[in-house]
Amino acid sequence: GAVVSQHPSWVICKSGTSVKIECRSLDFQATTMFWYRQFPKQSLMLMATSNEGSKATYEQGVEKDKFLINHASLTLSTLTVTSAHPEDSSFYICSASTSQDPQETQYFGPGTRLLVL
Amino acid sequence: AQKITQTQPGMFVQEKEAVTLDCTYDTSDPSYGLFWYKQPSSGEMIFLIYQGSYDQQNATEGRYSLNFQKARKSANLVISASQLGDSAMYFCAMREGTGNEKLTFGTGTRLTIIP
Repeated sequence: GAVVSQHPSWVICKSGTSVKIECRSLDFQATTMFWYRQFPKQSLMLMATSNEGSKATYEQGVEKDKFLINHASLTLSTLTVTSAHPEDSSFYICSASTSQDPQETQYFGPGTRLLVL
Repeated sequence: AQKITQTQPGMFVQEKEAVTLDCTYDTSDPSYGLFWYKQPSSGEMIFLIYQGSYDQQNATEGRYSLNFQKARKSANLVISASQLGDSAMYFCAMREGTGNEKLTFGTGTRLTIIP
């Protein structure tokens, strides 16, 4: 149980294009989804937290107009990197949790590697 | 101050031996949760074990156990009978409070199991 999928796993795009990444909870309803960014050999950096049906809460320093997050249902959240530039190249990973879990464990997707040329 | 500290950037352990990965934390919230995740080279984050601040006993999950010392604010991960597949990055994380609060991660420890 507690499986989270992420699509695509790899994406290469030209500078200036927008990229959408999907995060799905496959076997549970995710009341909260989180989006992280990870640079090589570093820890995870939380970008934003989203609850189904409401606006995402962004961490300090994360541009909300640059990284659009939509949590339209209890099983799907999307992250859109708008007008991507080479500095946006990174590993993006989502996680999901449910309020029905007393531990509120975050289960992670497999991640998406983004390369902007 | 760092909320989660992992002081071992890398560790090498002989196969079949036990290994302890250190984690100390800092919080003033009486209610918190501590998590360990494993990240293989593929990048996925695999949940290993959880310890709640009010749990009386140390958590165990198969070969994983958590040495929870509340007074010292430490939550070390113990892996028994290590296997080659245990080679990965290991992250300690803390959630303060309740209600789907965000996780704060440590810098991680890279564990390499030597055959």
